[in-house]
Amino acid sequence: AQSVTQPDIHITVSEGASLELRCNYSYGATPYLFWYVQSPGQGLQLLLKYFSGDTLVQGIKGFEAEFKRSQSSFNLRKPSVHWSDAAEYFCAVEGFQKLVFGTGTRLLVSP
Amino acid sequence: DAMVIQNPRYQVTQFGKPVTLSCSQTLNHNVMYWYQQKSSQAPKLLFHYYDKDFNNEADTPDNFQSRRPNTSFCFLDIRSPGLGDAAMYLCATSRDRVEGGGNFYNEQFFGPGTRLTVL
Repeated sequence: AQSVTQPDIHITVSEGASLELRCNYSYGATPYLFWYVQSPGQGLQLLLKYFSGDTLVQGIKGFEAEFKRSQSSFNLRKPSVHWSDAAEYFCAVEGFQKLVFGTGTRLLVSP
Repeated sequence: DAMVIQNPRYQVTQFGKPVTLSCSQTLNHNVMYWYQQKSSQAPKLLFHYYDKDFNNEADTPDNFQSRRPNTSFCFLDIRSPGLGDAAMYLCATSRDRVEGGGNFYNEQFFGPGTRLTVL
């Protein structure tokens, strides 16, 4: 069965600094991978997705993610974090028409 | 704009009193999902409808039921809410399988959620 691991529960980044959120997945076939963001009290918003092709995918709000099959990873990056990026970030893998989510990483942005 | 709408955004109910949460969509997607998300946890799939076909997750309690009277609407019924059912309930939709680069995948669109409080 597919699974997702997000090893960092919390991350604090200074505003303007770069960000990388880690995601490792387990899936037997070609994975379909997603990153979602959730602001407090809100639903999930899709940041980006990977299903094939170029391993570096661009998303909304200046985010990008790189798929590395050899490492079973799909890490999310942003070169310069803004205070509005403070939120919960979920990595997910799709299998059999279902999304399996990681436990999330809460991003805190310090001034 | 096409979207997924959930009503109410906040629901308070009493222990054991039935409650219904509503989800509607203007995306005309044929698949609708209900997730339960407890504080600081990942969303957990309860069930989904593929058109009119209901698909229950094996570990979803019998206390949770769902109805989908038409393509646009889907309801989550909690027959006898317990304190442990307090959570955010998220509705999502998807347009079946979407082709991308010769592969088919499932992209889900989420509503804003309903925060359920059980007193």
